[in-house]
Amino acid sequence: AQSVTQLDSQVPVFEEAPVELRCNYSSSVSVYLFWYVQYPNQGLQLLLKYLSGSTLVKGINGFEAEFNKSQTSFHLRKPSVHISDTAEYFCAVSDPNFGNEKLTFGTGTRLTIIP
Amino acid sequence: DVKVTQSSRYLVKRTGEKVFLECVQDMDHENMFWYRQDPGLGLRLIYFSYDVKMKEKGDIPEGYSVSREKKERFSLILESASTNQTSMYLCAGSGGSPYGYTFGSGTRLTVV
Repeated sequence: AQSVTQLDSQVPVFEEAPVELRCNYSSSVSVYLFWYVQYPNQGLQLLLKYLSGSTLVKGINGFEAEFNKSQTSFHLRKPSVHISDTAEYFCAVSDPNFGNEKLTFGTGTRLTIIP
Repeated sequence: DVKVTQSSRYLVKRTGEKVFLECVQDMDHENMFWYRQDPGLGLRLIYFSYDVKMKEKGDIPEGYSVSREKKERFSLILESASTNQTSMYLCAGSGGSPYGYTFGSGTRLTVV
């Protein structure tokens, strides 16, 4: 079965500083990878996804992620964060046993932006 | 994109009550999912459905059941609510691989 590890449960970052949120996954076959964001009191919305092709994926709000197959990682980055980026971020991996329709999520990383 | 609507944002129920959480999607897509979200545990899959009257258990189905009588509606049922079912419940719809999910706004359920 697929699994996702988000090592950092909380990440505080000063405003306008860069940030990296780490995600590692385990799978013996090719999978799809996703990052979702959850703002306070809201559901999750898709930030970006890796399906195939270029390993650098660009998403909304200036975020990008890099797929690294050898390290089974899919880290999320932003060069300069803003107060509005304060949220919880979830990494997810698809399950090929269900035609990649079903996702397994990590435990989340809470990003706090310090003014 | 699929739009997913959860009918209640907040619910308070008593222990032992039968609880229905409703979720509706506005597109003709097959896949729907119920997750619960708890601090430090992330999202855990309760049940999912690929088609009408079809259901599959997720990782934590105990104490829950689901109903999918129509393609657009997927209901989560707590047969006899308990305090350890106090949680945020998230419904998601999928337009088919490989597009990922669209989530509803969530229902925060408190069982007292």
